Amino acid sequence: DIQMTQLPTSVSASVGDRVTITCRATQSISTYLNWYQQKLGAAPKLLIYGASTLQGGVPSRFSGSGSGTNFIFTISSLQPEDFATYYCQQSYNTPPTFGQGTKVEIK
Amino acid sequence: HVQLVQSGAEVKKPGASVKVSCKASGDTYTIYNIYWLRQAPGQGLEWMALIHPSSGQPTYAQNFQGRVTLTRDTSTSTVYMDLSSLTSDDTAVYYCATVGTYGHIDDWGQGTLVTVSS
Repeated sequence: DIQMTQLPTSVSASVGDRVTITCRATQSISTYLNWYQQKLGAAPKLLIYGASTLQGGVPSRFSGSGSGTNFIFTISSLQPEDFATYYCQQSYNTPPTFGQGTKVEIK
Repeated sequence: HVQLVQSGAEVKKPGASVKVSCKASGDTYTIYNIYWLRQAPGQGLEWMALIHPSSGQPTYAQNFQGRVTLTRDTSTSTVYMDLSSLTSDDTAVYYCATVGTYGHIDDWGQGTLVTVSS
């Protein structure tokens, strides 16, 4: 199975801050990398697929980049509604696997 | 767009089985695959299995081989996940979700809490 390592596991930030999360795969996954947001008590929500394609309706302050084994997720200007846990997921092969999650908390 | 509605919360005793349903509506013809995943309290996401709605062909994660069974009823656009030999480690929220052609999970059910307790 492909292991996904996501860092940091948590980050404290203020409204307006730029937040960056990294995700690393144990083997090349091309651009088969997806990012999700999960708020407490809710199902995850797809934000970005194919490493950099924004899902419809997702604000442009969210972005993703990378290919191969190293990926970056960025929130350019953190908004109050962005405080949540974020997960990366590889869809290169089965089983799909997830990073451990990054909790974005209010500073 | 697809809406997924799952069955309600369950409380089971160790050793029992649970069956969770997932009913799809909307643009069901667009569904490529359906995943089942789970999330233990305070933990991350774990993939369990997938089923292709048209063929009914399932694929199971190694960790759940022999314990999980996926079935579907095409007449009602419903997929079922049956998990047997439950232990307290199976206490989790179980999700069904649709999968896009890139392997991204684009629509999620609301989740079903399964609690295993004696």
